[in-house]
Amino acid sequence: EVQLLESGGGLVQPGGSLRLSCAASGFTFSSYAMSWVRQAPGKGLEWVSAISGSGGSTYYADSVKGRFTISRDNSKNTLYLQMNSLRAEDTAVYYCAKDRVVTAKTPDDAFDIWGQGTMVTVSS
Amino acid sequence: DIQMTQSPSTLSASVGDRVTITCRASQSISSWLAWYQQKPGKAPKLLIYKASSLESGVPSRFSGSGSGTEFTLTISSLQPDDFATYYCQQYNSYPLTFGPGTKVDIK
Repeated sequence: EVQLLESGGGLVQPGGSLRLSCAASGFTFSSYAMSWVRQAPGKGLEWVSAISGSGGSTYYADSVKGRFTISRDNSKNTLYLQMNSLRAEDTAVYYCAKDRVVTAKTPDDAFDIWGQGTMVTVSS
Repeated sequence: DIQMTQSPSTLSASVGDRVTITCRASQSISSWLAWYQQKPGKAPKLLIYKASSLESGVPSRFSGSGSGTEFTLTISSLQPDDFATYYCQQYNSYPLTFGPGTKVDIK
């Protein structure tokens, strides 16, 4: 079964750091681009960051550029999001999501598999 | 950045109704559009990709159409399980962007 399982969320003070992980199973992880998408309480979906299958290309939303770093360890089938200089407005459920297929275009495709999400709360 | 808008923001409907949600992009995205369904406390679920392709396992009452800047999601006969929030998303270019969502609730 194709599955994504996020971890690492929690309560952190403004200015603090947190690293989220997303463990993948059931598919050839290294072949697929992956993304992080977040959802603030009661709000809509916001794409945060994406990384190519090899890890060689990364993309960020302006709202997190310079503060967040996406990475992956294909030997461990795990995606990461290092979040620094956290702000109250970063409070959200963070989902990892898998591109549906590998294509020749960038971005590749829609997200066919999502994790269950991990809550990040930034508050003093 | 490509801005996505959706209308209506809320839609009240009854079981059996035909429901249409519109999504517009601020510039042409060809057919690089997806539709997702999200229920409270759950992750989004892919319904439609490439504007009109039905994701495997999704009931055929869901359909998508459009290209360029205007797109629609249609539910041909609303079922109790369909009361949820629906989001469109463009994947023509980074940054990826979602519409603000359309909540479909019970009339």
